Amino acid sequence: NAGVMQNPRHLVRRRGQEARLRCSPMKGHSHVYWYRQLPEEGLKFMVYLQKENIIDESGMPKERFSAEFPKEGPSILRIQQVVRGDSAAYFCASSPIGLQGPTEAFFGQGTRLTVV
Amino acid sequence: AQSVTQLDSHVSVSEGTPVLLRCNYSSSYSPSLFWYVQHPNKGLQLLLKYTSAATLVKGINGFEAEFKKSETSFHLTKPSAHMSDAAEYFCVVTPPAGGTSYGKLTFGQGTILTVHP
Repeated sequence: NAGVMQNPRHLVRRRGQEARLRCSPMKGHSHVYWYRQLPEEGLKFMVYLQKENIIDESGMPKERFSAEFPKEGPSILRIQQVVRGDSAAYFCASSPIGLQGPTEAFFGQGTRLTVV
Repeated sequence: AQSVTQLDSHVSVSEGTPVLLRCNYSSSYSPSLFWYVQHPNKGLQLLLKYTSAATLVKGINGFEAEFKKSETSFHLTKPSAHMSDAAEYFCVVTPPAGGTSYGKLTFGQGTILTVHP
């Protein structure tokens, strides 16, 4: 049973370009979460999705960032017109049910975005 | 509201000596607490979790943590450090069970553990 798969592992974009980060949850998991880790900081919640639905996007920046989890295929985190401040590690996690209480989150290896 | 504070940003130990990584939490509810480890350029791996069944929790790789409600602490320990333990460790609390919030894990700032030969 493969774990949470994220690709690419490393992504370099020039300022103003678009970045697309992909996440395939563990088999049987229909709940996906995206977190961002800035240098010297812990992970910060961005968005929670189920298939074809955004459940909670309260951690997403208001502009340039969007996320989706289509019926088929991986979840996508999309950052338009990237700026240097978007440089960070982006982690995806999945769980079999909604993540609260003792439910464990399973994390991918992350995508490290560098904006030059 | 919930919060987690890791009291040390860096801890350095010698191989074979005990490890103590400190975590204090604040929660209005009975919390579920986790410790995750992140090796360089890797994802996060669950070490152990507290879910109110027992206050002393044993995890993988010889790690354990004790939940102390009176001290609002959940410190991570290991009797004897190994070189492979060098990594960053995160104390995490999840939204309370039965509430309306899902997935908003609250992370501590992380503690980088260095192990010297």
